[in-house]
Amino acid sequence: AQSVTQLGSHVSVSEGALVLLRCNYSSSVPPYLFWYVQYPNQGLQLLLKYTSAATLVKGINGFEAEFKKSETSFHLTKPSAHMSDAAEYFCAVSEGTGNQFYFGTGTSLTVIP
Amino acid sequence: ETGVTQTPRHLVMGMTNKKSLKCEQHLGHNAMYWYKQSAKKPLELMFVYNFKEQTENNSVPSRFSPECPNSSHLFLHLHTLQPEDSALYLCASSQEGIDTQYFGPGTRLTVL
Repeated sequence: AQSVTQLGSHVSVSEGALVLLRCNYSSSVPPYLFWYVQYPNQGLQLLLKYTSAATLVKGINGFEAEFKKSETSFHLTKPSAHMSDAAEYFCAVSEGTGNQFYFGTGTSLTVIP
Repeated sequence: ETGVTQTPRHLVMGMTNKKSLKCEQHLGHNAMYWYKQSAKKPLELMFVYNFKEQTENNSVPSRFSPECPNSSHLFLHLHTLQPEDSALYLCASSQEGIDTQYFGPGTRLTVL
C-alpha cells in the first residue's frame, strides 16, 4: 500500500523567504510523485511531477522538488516566497498504473508581508 | 472551454432532495474520477472510470451514484444525502498510461 505524509498542516513564511514544504511517501514500487496547489474555491493545479527521470524537478511559479529515495522524501521548495503563493499544497503518490492516486492531507502556506 | 469544468459550482440541498453534479473534460482523456474533499482530511477517491467503464468504487455509500455516458462526461447523482456529505466534490481526468490528473474547480455541496 502507498501513503503520503505531509509534515506541518500550516506553514508561515515571510515574503521573500525560502519556502519548504515537506512530503514523505511510502511505496512498494518506484513511485510517481506529484505536487498540486489549490487556491481558495478552486480545484487542484499540477505544480510538478517526478516520473523516474531527473531527481530534481522544476515546476511552475518557481517551485521545485527533489526526489530522495534514501529518505523517501519529495520536499517542495521555492527560494523566495511571493504573496501569491499563499494556498494549500498537496503531495501525491502513484504507482504509475491503475489510476490510483494517494494524497497527503495538505499544507496550508501563509505568506506574511 | 478548456480543461475540466464542473457545474454547478455551489449546491445547497436538503436531505430528501435529488440532485446531480456534472463534470466535462475537454482534454481528450479517457479516464475520469470523482473525489471528495472534506476539511482536515486527505482527498478521498470515490469513483474511477476508464473508457466509460467503472473500475473503482471505494466503498462509497449508495446514495452517491456515478454515471459516465462517454469519455468526456461524468455525473454524480445524489439522493437522500446526510449533513456529513457536505464537502467539495472534485472531478479529474487523465489519459490512460499517463498518470497526471487534471482537476476541475469543484462543486461546493452543502447538505442541510
